[in-house]
Amino acid sequence: GQNIDQPTEMTATEGAIVQINCTYQTSGFNGLFWYQQHAGEAPTFLSYNVLDGLEEKGRFSSFLSRSKGYSYLLLKELQMKDSASYLCAVRANYQLIWGAGTKLIIKP
Amino acid sequence: EAQVTQNPRYLITVTGKKLTVTCSQNMNHEYMSWYRQDPGLGLRQIYYSMNVEVTDKGDVPEGYKVSRKEKRNFPLILESPSPNQTSLYFCASSLGGDAGNTIYFGEGSWLTVV
Repeated sequence: GQNIDQPTEMTATEGAIVQINCTYQTSGFNGLFWYQQHAGEAPTFLSYNVLDGLEEKGRFSSFLSRSKGYSYLLLKELQMKDSASYLCAVRANYQLIWGAGTKLIIKP
Repeated sequence: EAQVTQNPRYLITVTGKKLTVTCSQNMNHEYMSWYRQDPGLGLRQIYYSMNVEVTDKGDVPEGYKVSRKEKRNFPLILESPSPNQTSLYFCASSLGGDAGNTIYFGEGSWLTVV
């Protein structure tokens, strides 16, 4: 079967760093996405990894290890506006398989 | 402006009354899809389309129909809505294949079936 796992909820402090993990088991792999979704709004694109390694984009970085079926999203210098759900999705054979999302709560 | 537009944004309807949620994209994307999102379950794909006249079932197609007669439009049809179809629906599009590394979402349609 195809499966994507990520923690349901995480809490972090404003100004700190948080790492959100995602593990996957899929038949085929064409890339892994991270999306941010504020409550009641559409998901917005954060990052896309297709090769192993770290992709850095401002305060956000995403890492991929295809051999381990593992990715993480790293958020630095957390701000209150980062409170949202973070969705991991894997593209496999022209389909997208989505994780249930990680709700990130930022405390002052 | 590149966008995916879906309508209506909010709808309350009664069981059994056919409804259509429209979706249109202006980016000439081949790939379009419909998702529903329910608390604790994340995004679940209903149907997707690789190109005009090509549609396929996603993970939860029961109770839904789609059509892709034009590249830009991908309507979602609920022939006989039931309360378990109360959900937040998103339409999405992308270039498709390995080149489609960004998925664009519509703003979402809140559907309540009573």
